[in-house]
Amino acid sequence: QKEVEQDPGPLSVPEGAIVSLNCTYSNSAFQYFMWYRQYSRKGPELLMYTYSSGNKEDGRFTAQVDKSSKYISLFIRDSQPSDSATYLCAMSSNDYKLSFGAGTTVTVRA
Amino acid sequence: DGGITQSPKYLFRKEGQNVTLSCEQNLNHDAMYWYRQDPGQGLRLIYYSQIVNDFQKGDIAEGYSVSREKKESFPLTVTSAQKNPTAFYLCASSIRIGGFGYGYTFGSGTRLTVV
Repeated sequence: QKEVEQDPGPLSVPEGAIVSLNCTYSNSAFQYFMWYRQYSRKGPELLMYTYSSGNKEDGRFTAQVDKSSKYISLFIRDSQPSDSATYLCAMSSNDYKLSFGAGTTVTVRA
Repeated sequence: DGGITQSPKYLFRKEGQNVTLSCEQNLNHDAMYWYRQDPGQGLRLIYYSQIVNDFQKGDIAEGYSVSREKKESFPLTVTSAQKNPTAFYLCASSIRIGGFGYGYTFGSGTRLTVV
C-alpha cells in the first residue's frame, strides 16, 4: 500500500464548476500538508500549505485536512480553463522529506 | 529573480552512458532534492541533501549519484547501472525554519530519454 493515495483521474469539468480533489494517507505522523499544481512539462508550484487539521482558504482555493480520517481535500471554485493542470498532494511529518501523491489531472472545458 | 535552474531541458542518453543533470539555486536554501516523475507514479525521491558535503539516499537511489560541494549546486548523475532512466527529473530546494522545510521550490525539470 502506498503511503499517499491519490486518484489520478482524469477529471473533466465545465468552466465555472467546483473541482474537488482528495488524498488519503496512512502515516499518522504527517502533520504538514500541501497541494502543488503542475502544468505540462513544468515543475510543480506550491498552491496551498496547511498545518494539522482544519480549513484554509486562498481566493478560489480551499484546502481541508481531516487528520482523524487521514484525508485531505482541495476545492477549486469557479474553475477556469487556466486551472487545467495536474494537482499533487504532498505531506510530511517533521523532517525535510515530502511524500507525494500520484497527481490528479484536471481539465476545465471552456 | 530567485529560483532553481535545471539544465538541460531535454537530454538523450545512449545505452551504457553516464549523464549529469545540473541543478542550481539562488534562494539560499539549505536543503536540495532530486525526484523522478513517471506517468501515474507521482514523484519518487532519489537523493536529498540538507547541508553542503552531506547527502542521503532516497527511495530509489540505485543507479544514481550526487554531490553537494556548494550550497547552490546539487548535480545528479544517472549512471549506466540505472536500467530504466527514461523519465522526467525534478530538482527542488527548501528552507528549514523551526524544524520543518516550508514547502519546496521546484525547477522546470529535465526530460531524459534513452536512445
